[in-house]
Amino acid sequence: AQSVTQLDSQVPVFEEAPVELRCNYSSSVSVYLFWYVQYPNQGLQLLLKYLSGSTLVKGINGFEAEFNKSQTSFHLRKPSVHISDTAEYFCAVSLSSGSARQLTFGSGTQLTVLP
Amino acid sequence: SQTIHQWPATLVQPVGSPLSLECTVEGTSNPNLYWYRQAAGRGLQLLFYSVGIGQISSEVPQNLSASRPQDRQFILSSKKLLLSDSGFYLCAWSALTPNTEAFFGQGTRLTVV
Repeated sequence: AQSVTQLDSQVPVFEEAPVELRCNYSSSVSVYLFWYVQYPNQGLQLLLKYLSGSTLVKGINGFEAEFNKSQTSFHLRKPSVHISDTAEYFCAVSLSSGSARQLTFGSGTQLTVLP
Repeated sequence: SQTIHQWPATLVQPVGSPLSLECTVEGTSNPNLYWYRQAAGRGLQLLFYSVGIGQISSEVPQNLSASRPQDRQFILSSKKLLLSDSGFYLCAWSALTPNTEAFFGQGTRLTVV
């Protein structure tokens, strides 16, 4: 079975500073990787996904992530954050095969952007 | 385009009362459907998933149940709520093809009092 670890439960950062949210996964087979964002009392919105190909993936709102197979990581980055980026961020994995596509989520990272 | 509807948005229920949360998907056929629960600071826990009408798989034993009476309808139920059932419940769907993400509803905030 696959698992996801988000190493930081809370990340405070000042506005216009860069940020990295860390995600490591464990799986014995190939996986797909995702980052979702959740604003308070709302559902999850997809930021970006890695399926195959280029290991650097660009998503919405200026975010990007890099898949590192040797380190089994998929860290999320943004070079300059805004107040509006304050939200909870979830890393998720799913197996690249199988009839029921189950997403396994990390425990989430609360990003707080300070003025 | 595909949309997912989940209701109600908020719900306050007494301990021991029944529960019914409904989720419907529009604009797609034969979706995989999921119920997740999100407790404070604990990420998302998969409760149930379904690959077709009447086909329900449970991930966590509990006093909740799920049903899929129609292709695009997924219902989460309980006969008697517990305090520990409080949380944020999210419905989601994904297509059958392997390289697509899951799409989430807006969630239901359930408080059991």
